[in-house]
Amino acid sequence: GAGVSQSPSNKVTEKGKDVELRCDPISGHTALYWYRQSLGQGLEFLIYFQGNSAPDKSGLPSDRFSAERTGGSVSTLTIQRTQQEDSAVYLCASSTTPSNQPQHFGDGTRLSIL
Amino acid sequence: ELKVEQNPLFLSMQEGKNYTIYCNYSTTSDRLYWYRQDPGKSLESLFVLLSNGAVKQEGRLMASLDTKARLSTLHITAAVHDLSATYFCAVVNYGGSQGNLIFGKGTKLSVKP
Repeated sequence: GAGVSQSPSNKVTEKGKDVELRCDPISGHTALYWYRQSLGQGLEFLIYFQGNSAPDKSGLPSDRFSAERTGGSVSTLTIQRTQQEDSAVYLCASSTTPSNQPQHFGDGTRLSIL
Repeated sequence: ELKVEQNPLFLSMQEGKNYTIYCNYSTTSDRLYWYRQDPGKSLESLFVLLSNGAVKQEGRLMASLDTKARLSTLHITAAVHDLSATYFCAVVNYGGSQGNLIFGKGTKLSVKP
């Protein structure tokens, strides 16, 4: 069956530009997560959506980062005024709840800020 | 704050040998996950460990969980080249969003003939 789908797979942009990253979770998964993977910081949690509840934004590194999830399905992660330190692979994951099932990860978006 | 530590971070093995990767975590959690990541690829779920004493095996890999010691191990038996990858353990962060994972830094495994 279809897994977690992320787009674009690669994004190169200039410092200061805004970017939008998209995640389409596995159908029926109510939980959706964004993580960031970089050489220096490893895998970091960014934000978590669960059903219609307010998202947990505790992992977002600054107010330049925001995310939304429309209709309980597709999610968009937006980074405004990008900085070079935002360069990383952004991974989306989804899962059923409760969390005794693994989170299924997409292939990620590799973001490079010039 | 929940912290997850893996060791070793780098592991070079010969084919046919056995080895164990260790994952320690700092606060109570009863859900631990092991993932595999190949270069340039995403994370693939290997094991979900949900209780103290849980043991799961798949092929040459076996994972166990000791919640009292806050320790999980991933044991590799008779390694083969195809096992070369980076292995991550991750623990559910109950102090956070009740679902997000805290990852170890990963163990990069290289199996040589």
